[in-house]
Amino acid sequence: GQQVQQSPASLVLQEGENAELQCNFSSTATQLQWFYQSPGGSLVSLLSNPSGTKHTGRLTSTTVTKERRSSLHISSSQTTDSGTYLCAIDKLSGSFNKLTFGAGTRLAVCP
Amino acid sequence: GPKVLQIPSHQIIDMGQMVTLNCDPVSNHLYFYWYKQILGQQMEFLVNFYNGKVMEKSKLFKDQFSVERPDGSYFTLKIQPTALEDSAVYFCASSFGGNYAEQFFGPGTRLTVL
Repeated sequence: GQQVQQSPASLVLQEGENAELQCNFSSTATQLQWFYQSPGGSLVSLLSNPSGTKHTGRLTSTTVTKERRSSLHISSSQTTDSGTYLCAIDKLSGSFNKLTFGAGTRLAVCP
Repeated sequence: GPKVLQIPSHQIIDMGQMVTLNCDPVSNHLYFYWYKQILGQQMEFLVNFYNGKVMEKSKLFKDQFSVERPDGSYFTLKIQPTALEDSAVYFCASSFGGNYAEQFFGPGTRLTVL
């Protein structure tokens, strides 16, 4: 089955620092999504980025499909960015989408 | 962006009872999904649903689970009877397309089985 590895497992930053989160996956992905999960558990979709580079606000995602990796860059981190960042992929296998999630990177931003 | 709603946000029930989790997907979406996340663990796929049918389900989708979307209303996950190991947060998602499409997630329903 598909495997999704995220690194680092956890990260502590001072407010204003940048963060670089990594996602590596074991098979070709036809869809890749980054999510934010709050400490309370709710899930927010950040970016859909199966290939190339996408920006939204302080977030930049770069996915290199043939190298099976994606990164999420958070610039000028804020305390409200604290939470868990999840990477999820899907592979076209003749079936409908079913996302496989990584274990996440837990980010703590200190004031 | 598009919103998926889930009702209720929390549910506490006794083991053996039936529970129905409700999802109000994005209005023009055609594909629907349930995912399960046990506290502190990874999010895992349960089932996807299209055109009134289950297309694919994981081994987590036990015989006690069922899904339906009668007449374009809520997309529901029913568990009957519930077991202690069903305690988790259940996330509903929907997408317009089947392959390549971005999935939009609801806020989750936290189910506690006592």
